[in-house]
Amino acid sequence: KNEVEQSPQNLTAQEGEFITINCSYSVGISALHWLQQHPGGGIVSLFMLSSGKKKHGRLIATINIQEKHSSLHITASHPRDSAVYICAVNLGAQKLVFGQGTRLTINP
Amino acid sequence: DTGVSQNPRHKITKRGQNVTFRCDPISEHNRLYWYRQTLGQGPEFLTYFQNEAQLEKSRLLSDRFSAERPKGSFSTLEIQRTEQGDSAMYLCASSLGRTPNTGELFFGEGSRLTVL
Repeated sequence: KNEVEQSPQNLTAQEGEFITINCSYSVGISALHWLQQHPGGGIVSLFMLSSGKKKHGRLIATINIQEKHSSLHITASHPRDSAVYICAVNLGAQKLVFGQGTRLTINP
Repeated sequence: DTGVSQNPRHKITKRGQNVTFRCDPISEHNRLYWYRQTLGQGPEFLTYFQNEAQLEKSRLLSDRFSAERPKGSFSTLEIQRTEQGDSAMYLCASSLGRTPNTGELFFGEGSRLTVL
């Protein structure tokens, strides 16, 4: 079993829909990251959180430490949100363990 | 541009050749990470530097792989005697970390290696 599991692996939705991507992990962590990767490889950090909830524009990330679960929400989704979204957990300062990613496609 | 810079962006080589990738982190960042990503998979940790010290290496980093960060600035990742299984995207990230986690990570665009 992977230490970090994301669901769904693929998600297709219509523009304007509310999107939720889930991440579950099986070990104690010091922080959790949500990352966005566009075709071509570049990765952008969206959030780093260790408790509660963070919001940036149309993106919201939540984490429940007791349940070892985090969600990334996108409100009013847009085709430019189409990308791979990756959850990664910090096991101390050094090690970051990544999920396999969720490929999101938003159709106009 | 003051982001993380990687070069070359693409490298095609024949099996058995040596390749070297370079990463220039954001200048004040003390932590530097190398990851490898194969098609359809999430990145995998390779190694981590705090300033010039290489503090952790993944068991994925066989003896054909070596990474350095002289003077705690840029870093190089060298692969000797490349094999087809080394074909992947090699990602570098840096952070200003003083906490028991990586800190917010800033990634480069990656160096894609194809071994023929």
